[in-house]
Amino acid sequence: NAGVTQTPKFQVLKTGQSMTLQCAQDMNHNSMYWYRQDPGMGLRLIYYSASEGTTDKGEVPNGYNVSRLNKREFSLRLESAAPSQTSVYFCASSAGTGGYTGELFFGEGSRLTVL
Amino acid sequence: LAKTTQPISMDSYEGQEVNITCSHNNIATNDYITWYQQFPSQGPRFIIQGYKTKVTNEVASLFIPADRKSSTLSLPRVSLSDTAVYYCLVGDRGKAAGNKLTFGGGTRVLVKP
Repeated sequence: NAGVTQTPKFQVLKTGQSMTLQCAQDMNHNSMYWYRQDPGMGLRLIYYSASEGTTDKGEVPNGYNVSRLNKREFSLRLESAAPSQTSVYFCASSAGTGGYTGELFFGEGSRLTVL
Repeated sequence: LAKTTQPISMDSYEGQEVNITCSHNNIATNDYITWYQQFPSQGPRFIIQGYKTKVTNEVASLFIPADRKSSTLSLPRVSLSDTAVYYCLVGDRGKAAGNKLTFGGGTRVLVKP
């Protein structure tokens, strides 16, 4: 059972380039989340999706877009990358009928560097 | 959503008990308290969750007083491998529309030999 899988694990971009971080979960979870974590800091919520077809902004959504492609997949897109978006990005999922039910399952993270 | 406040860091020694307190003064009636552990270069992982009083599992205990405005994670007899960052998270477990789950800064625990 893979759990939450993120791709790519590492990426280097130049300022202004675009890219998409992919996330997939195989636990049949309804809710999915994208967080970023800067060095030595806590996690900040970028976007979340309570169920297939819905997405909502988190604490730091500017510069990002998301797509809940289906129940399994939740992607995060940087349209025009900036050095301030250098961070580790974590995808997470949780079970339930559209909401948080206690346990978030995290992927291994995607380390993004923007030059 | 209830904002959480934790100490930035704590040091301990192997074999000691570590207690980390999280303040959540504006916790709502339906909110649960959940603690996560994060090792370097890994995503956080669930440790324990509770609503009130005391909860214990194989790795930790969670103490929640009657007013629920704080909670204490207790790690018994820590080892070097318990060195990590610990996060307290408060959220409505039953909210149908999903949750804007925000983490606080976490507590960095260093276990020394």
